[in-house]
Amino acid sequence: EVQLVQSGAEVKKPGESLKISCKGSGYTFTSNWIAWVRQRPGKGLEWMGIIYPGDSDTRYSPSFQGQVTISADKSTSTAFLQWSSLRASDTAMYYCARSVAAGLTTYFDSWGQGTLVTVSS
Amino acid sequence: SYELTQPPSVSVSPGQTARITCSGDALPKQFVYWYQQKSGQAPILVIYRDTERPSGIPERFSASTSGTTVTLTITGVQAEDEADYHCQAADNSGSDLVVFGGGTKLTVL
Repeated sequence: EVQLVQSGAEVKKPGESLKISCKGSGYTFTSNWIAWVRQRPGKGLEWMGIIYPGDSDTRYSPSFQGQVTISADKSTSTAFLQWSSLRASDTAMYYCARSVAAGLTTYFDSWGQGTLVTVSS
Repeated sequence: SYELTQPPSVSVSPGQTARITCSGDALPKQFVYWYQQKSGQAPILVIYRDTERPSGIPERFSASTSGTTVTLTITGVQAEDEADYHCQAADNSGSDLVVFGGGTKLTVL
């Protein structure tokens, strides 16, 4: 069974750094892209970026380019999402999802449980 | 940038048929994917490549396409189907890889 298990909820202050994780199991971690998706409170889904753990090839949504860094450690089957300086507007639930390539796009066939990030002074 | 448009809400009584639309200019030329997100839970994939159902998704979930609109249909709605439904496709403008619709809240009366 494919499983993506994310790290726990975080409460941070503006300006602090943060790195959250997503550990995959039940499949060959290096064979599928892993995406990160943001969901602000009461809002829809926003695609942030994607990484191929096999070679760490990474693509970002233009909306998130330069705002976050996506990485992966294939030795531990874990993907990461990090911020160097958080803002209150980063308060959201963050999901990782296993991606399936589909022509010009990709879709997400398995999701992590989500990591709630709260940024408040 | 490219947008997918969904109605904010749809309401139906148990046993009725719910139809949730997703509109976008480029949909005739691309696949659409649908996710169900129950309150407080992560999304799950319910339809891929326009009309395919992943294993484990009930047969009452189906989808169809007509021009620039794709419709997710839930036949014989059950209380457990109450959720937000999100459509997803490629960003036709070429500036991004993925675009999501704004989501539709399905309420089972």
